[in-house]
Amino acid sequence: EAQVTQNPRYLITVTGKKLTVTCSQNMNHEYMSWYRQDPGLGLRQIYYSMNVEVTDKGDVPEGYKVSRKEKRNFPLILESPSPNQTSLYFCASSPGQGSNQPQHFGDGTRLSIL
Amino acid sequence: AQSVSQHNHHVILSEAASLELGCNYSYGGTVNLFWYVQYPGQHLQLLLKYFSGDPLVKGIKGFEAEFIKSKFSFNLRKPSVQWSDTAEYFCAVRNNFNKFYFGSGTKLNVKP
Repeated sequence: EAQVTQNPRYLITVTGKKLTVTCSQNMNHEYMSWYRQDPGLGLRQIYYSMNVEVTDKGDVPEGYKVSRKEKRNFPLILESPSPNQTSLYFCASSPGQGSNQPQHFGDGTRLSIL
Repeated sequence: AQSVSQHNHHVILSEAASLELGCNYSYGGTVNLFWYVQYPGQHLQLLLKYFSGDPLVKGIKGFEAEFIKSKFSFNLRKPSVQWSDTAEYFCAVRNNFNKFYFGSGTKLNVKP
């Protein structure tokens, strides 16, 4: 089954404790992206990746890191989480540029930073 | 800066009423346009998309949207809503640099 898998689904942690949210897709998609969803703000793109070893900042990259060492994985790293990063996070993937296919979204990760 | 505007933040309708949700974007180049739906507690699912061709696109569950290039709009419509359409709806734009922009969402509440 084609899917985007995020882990964990829920996490409560404390300020400053490094955490990683994993994202994996099994569709051989070139493009992957991370969003955060906040009430009244919709989805805002954090980082995206056009292919392996190619990453770019989205609209709200501050406080986040990503890596794309393999095509299927695109982890989101919070080196020193802060309470303003409490949010619902979605990973998404799609075929590469020029494709007419939309993004597929994961089920979301709800992060609470105390 | 590029942006996507959804003017209706919260819409309440009775079953069988007609629906139109507005979406406007600001980007002068070639765009792909999408509407996604998010049911409570779930991830976003694609309703419909526009890439090229006929500006009136039909999606799943009886939804359709019309791309009006001159107005930079991509409004979502459904002739007769059902209680099961209660959800949050997001308009999204992909520009030719493959960056995505989402609107802030419209919460639709359909009363049975």
